[in-house]
Amino acid sequence: QKEVEQNSGPLSVPEGAIASLNCTYSDRGSQSFFWYRQYSGKSPELIMFIYSNGDKEDGRFTAQLNKASQYVSLLIRDSQPSDSATYLCAVNGGGSSNTGKLIFGQGTTLQVKP
Amino acid sequence: GAGVSQSPSNKVTEKGKDVELRCDPISGHTALYWYRQRLGQGLEFLIYFQGNSAPDKSGLPSDRFSAERTGESVSTLTIQRTQQEDSAVYLCASSPDDANYGYTFGSGTRLTVV
Repeated sequence: QKEVEQNSGPLSVPEGAIASLNCTYSDRGSQSFFWYRQYSGKSPELIMFIYSNGDKEDGRFTAQLNKASQYVSLLIRDSQPSDSATYLCAVNGGGSSNTGKLIFGQGTTLQVKP
Repeated sequence: GAGVSQSPSNKVTEKGKDVELRCDPISGHTALYWYRQRLGQGLEFLIYFQGNSAPDKSGLPSDRFSAERTGESVSTLTIQRTQQEDSAVYLCASSPDDANYGYTFGSGTRLTVV
């Protein structure tokens, strides 16, 4: 079992719709969870992080965390063509020691169609 | 510096040659990370430096790979006797401490082994 799993997609949504991206992780001791966006040919950029169960909102983005289910998701409201990218889920790999090493999923490719 | 700087941006080398990739982290960032990203794949952890602690080398794929860091500044990733499977983008990232708020990536070095 991979440590961080994501559906590779592509996930295709029409412009203006809500895009829902999902991620599961195997290490129950993980404490920090991150979403990165990566445009084709570019390096990843951080868009959200979440530590506590529940929802965290930032503009059109909402991160959701459920530690009991070992599940983290990213919702993008009012999706725009410029949101088309690969979204990488990352989890701190240190378990209870909470080191800085992040373990990344394979990424989900999102396509927003005008 | 203003961001994480990596050089060279592109490197083409012949199979069997050694290569050195350089990373200059954001000033003041104590933690530095190297990842590898093969085409269409996620990020594969290689090595992590945190201050004066012993580096976490658990992700280095073979003894052909090594990395050094001088204090809290520049890091060099060396690949000896390159193989075609080493072709990938090598990404460096840095963070202020143990990455509680994620990290900032450089633009990467695209390595092609021919």
